[in-house]
Amino acid sequence: DAKTTQPNSMESNEEEPVHLPCNHSTISGTDYIHWYRQLPSQGPEYVIHGLTSNVNNRMASLAIAEDRKSSTLILHRATLRDAAVYYCILRDRVNTGNQFYFGTGTSLTVIP
Amino acid sequence: NAGVMQNPRHLVRRRGQEARLRCSPMKGHSHVYWYRQLPEEGLKFMVYLQKENIIDESGMPKERFSAEFPKEGPSILRIQQVVRGDSAAYFCASSPLITYEQYFGPGTRLTVT
Repeated sequence: DAKTTQPNSMESNEEEPVHLPCNHSTISGTDYIHWYRQLPSQGPEYVIHGLTSNVNNRMASLAIAEDRKSSTLILHRATLRDAAVYYCILRDRVNTGNQFYFGTGTSLTVIP
Repeated sequence: NAGVMQNPRHLVRRRGQEARLRCSPMKGHSHVYWYRQLPEEGLKFMVYLQKENIIDESGMPKERFSAEFPKEGPSILRIQQVVRGDSAAYFCASSPLITYEQYFGPGTRLTVT
């Protein structure tokens, strides 16, 4: 399981964009980049995933560096409901045992 | 379509008792995963099952813990002779046959007194 590095915590003002970074310098060519988030007292929730190209969905955008050694999750307008721990996870799409390896993630605080 | 269901949501057991945690995957999902989350920590993978088969139990403690996913009924995570260190939130996730997304349940919070 390839390792990821994320800041322990970040703050954002409500209705402003948030950029959550993730470093994964040992990523392999077959690793997908996944983002999940965990709201207080809840199970993790899928946010977005990608391989090489930037991805957009209704929740967020994922910007992947050209060398794939880092990525950034972008929340375009933070709301109070976005306060959560955000996990950046790599998963090998070839040797997939299907389990995810969670780190400690980034705890996002949204300030009203 | 109901999400992943786990019960009970909260479970209190005394040291030495058994704990049984249940997980009903989403409809149509045949893959189930169990994770444990200790206080202030990230989730740790425990076991991955398909119907009637354990595919990967590399994260399961060698003793006292077992898991099953029978042909009919929910997946069960069983902890025998619980100790205080077993106190944690236990999350179940499921996925369909071919996908990279896992859908998590709300978790069971086990407290051992």
